[in-house]
Amino acid sequence: EAGVAQSPRYKIIEKRQSVAFWCNPISGHATLYWYQQILGQGPKLLIQFQNNGVVDDSQLPKDRFSAERLKGVDSTLKIQPAKLEDSAVYLCASRTPGGRGDTQYFGPGTRLTVL
Amino acid sequence: AQSVAQPEDQVNVAEGNPLTVKCTYSVSGNPYLFWYVQYPNRGLQFLLKYITGDNLVKGSYGFEAEFNKSQTSFHLKKPSALVSDSALYFCAVRDRNSGGYQKVTFGTGTKLQVIP
Repeated sequence: EAGVAQSPRYKIIEKRQSVAFWCNPISGHATLYWYQQILGQGPKLLIQFQNNGVVDDSQLPKDRFSAERLKGVDSTLKIQPAKLEDSAVYLCASRTPGGRGDTQYFGPGTRLTVL
Repeated sequence: AQSVAQPEDQVNVAEGNPLTVKCTYSVSGNPYLFWYVQYPNRGLQFLLKYITGDNLVKGSYGFEAEFNKSQTSFHLKKPSALVSDSALYFCAVRDRNSGGYQKVTFGTGTKLQVIP
């Protein structure tokens, strides 16, 4: 079974520029998550999709961050404009629907450096 | 609101010795608890989970975790540490958000260093 794919793996931009990340979840996984992991901290949930609908975006800085999951498969996360404090690893994860305590499967992440 | 605490930023242990990585949790209702491991430049990998039943949960790579309800703890353990176990370990707790969907909260992580 193929894992969660993310691209690019690394990205360096200057502040005020825009950037987009892409995620392809495991086939059949209806739930998709984007996390932000700042160096030395645990992952923080930015947004959660169930199929192509948003079910939790309470911690997404909506003035600069946006995400979409068209057709309920791939997802993109965009930052516009980027700030220095956005430097982090952005992790995508997916999960099968239903059940109790189902496991999240993580992609390798995209390391963003904002200069 | 749910939370987990990992009181140690780093744990050092000699190869071959037993290891423990500590985690305490706070959640309303029944806890669903997880341990994940993160190797350098890699995403998080699932190790084990507790949902219900036996308090001792066995997981990948010889790791196990002990659920203790009275102490609200879920410590990760391994009888004999390997150098290859050196990584960042995250404890996590699952709850549901206001819409009834699963939400997982991660701890700040503990760096495990196994010394040859």
